[in-house]
Amino acid sequence: EVQLVESGGGLVKPGGSLRLSCAASGFTFSSYSMNWVRQAPGKGLEWVSSISSSSSYIYYADSVKGRFTISRDNAKNSLYLQMNSLRAEDTAVYYCARQMPTTVTSDYWGQGTLVTVSS
Amino acid sequence: QSALTQPASVSGSPGQSITISCTGTSSDVGGYNYVSWYQQHPGKAPKLMIYDVSNRPSGVSNRFSGSKSGNTASLTISGLQAEDEADYYCSSYTSSSTLEVFGGGTKLTVL
Repeated sequence: EVQLVESGGGLVKPGGSLRLSCAASGFTFSSYSMNWVRQAPGKGLEWVSSISSSSSYIYYADSVKGRFTISRDNAKNSLYLQMNSLRAEDTAVYYCARQMPTTVTSDYWGQGTLVTVSS
Repeated sequence: QSALTQPASVSGSPGQSITISCTGTSSDVGGYNYVSWYQQHPGKAPKLMIYDVSNRPSGVSNRFSGSKSGNTASLTISGLQAEDEADYYCSSYTSSSTLEVFGGGTKLTVL
């Protein structure tokens, strides 16, 4: 069974940093590209970042480019999102999701971790 | 403002069919067959219902179907059931600097 479990969310002040983690199990993690998608309270979904299976290709939404860094450790079956210079508008539930092999679609999602940026 | 445009809400009675539209541009929906649809119940993670315009993942009811015409994709749910009440989001690959764009979401109410 595919499982994705996010952790690392919490309350942080504007300008602060946070590192999210996503532990994957139930599939060959090193064979799949992975996505981070977020959802602000009461709002819609927003794609944040994607990383290919070998980390060769990395993409970011314009809203986080230069502030967020996606990475992965295939030996540990883990995905990460380092978030720096956080703003109030980054407040959201952050989902880790597995990308299907031949498309950008996310077929499995974690339960999400809440990041709150507030003073 | 979301990159893809969806109606804010739709409604239907049990047993009826409804269609949710998702309008983009030739840089996303119209240019590629990489449109997906997700269902999200309150407090839950999104669930993939349709991918690559019209394909259903294993386990998804055949009451859900997808299509596309030009820059507009559509999700049709037939034989509406109470459990279908949820938010629905479309997404598409985009040739812009980002990789994927979502619609603003549509709240489906089963009357």
